[in-house]
Amino acid sequence: EPEVTQTPSHQVTQMGQEVILRCVPISNHLYFYWYRQILGQKVEFLVSFYNNEISEKSEIFDDQFSVERPDGSNFTLKIRSTKLEDSAMYFCASSLGQGGNQPQHFGDGTRLSIL
Amino acid sequence: AQSVTQLGSHVSVSEGALVLLRCNYSSSVPPYLFWYVQYPNQGLQLLLKYTSAATLVKGINGFEAEFKKSETSFHLTKPSAHMSDAAEYFCAVRGSGNTGKLIFGQGTTLQVKP
Repeated sequence: EPEVTQTPSHQVTQMGQEVILRCVPISNHLYFYWYRQILGQKVEFLVSFYNNEISEKSEIFDDQFSVERPDGSNFTLKIRSTKLEDSAMYFCASSLGQGGNQPQHFGDGTRLSIL
Repeated sequence: AQSVTQLGSHVSVSEGALVLLRCNYSSSVPPYLFWYVQYPNQGLQLLLKYTSAATLVKGINGFEAEFKKSETSFHLTKPSAHMSDAAEYFCAVRGSGNTGKLIFGQGTTLQVKP
């Protein structure tokens, strides 16, 4: 069964440094998402992406964050200048459609630790 | 705005016992609801989804959920727990608008005792 893959599984970065989290969505999917889960808290929506542009972003997704689909397969999340509070598990998801009952398929996540 | 509340952050059952994980939703439109499971060090795996075709939805691994509009609930059940069911379970509702984002509950950790 096709899977969403994320790399790396764990990223340790110094505060203030830039990080790029990578995702390969399922190949025929058209809608892409990033979520994050701070330890002990709920999974939170960050951003959705369709047709090479952001379709919605949350309040969390400020100017320090950006997303890109640089080629036909990768979907990346960049954090420009990391803060301690960016430490979290980041999940990428993709779906074939964005209609009501279309499920999102999630990757295993990247654990980001900011020192 | 849509929201989801999961009652009970931790649920502990004995192997073979009934599993009941509670989820209540708030939605201004007919909701699309999902249950996901997260095993340790893994991503979120879809258990089942409510699509309005039937109020009782069957999912993978013997789980099912019943949509009750009058109670705004979508509780997850399994008749007999297995040790392998130990995981964290998330209820989610599709957000408003056309972007398809999911809004998650706080999650419930299921412990299964031998």
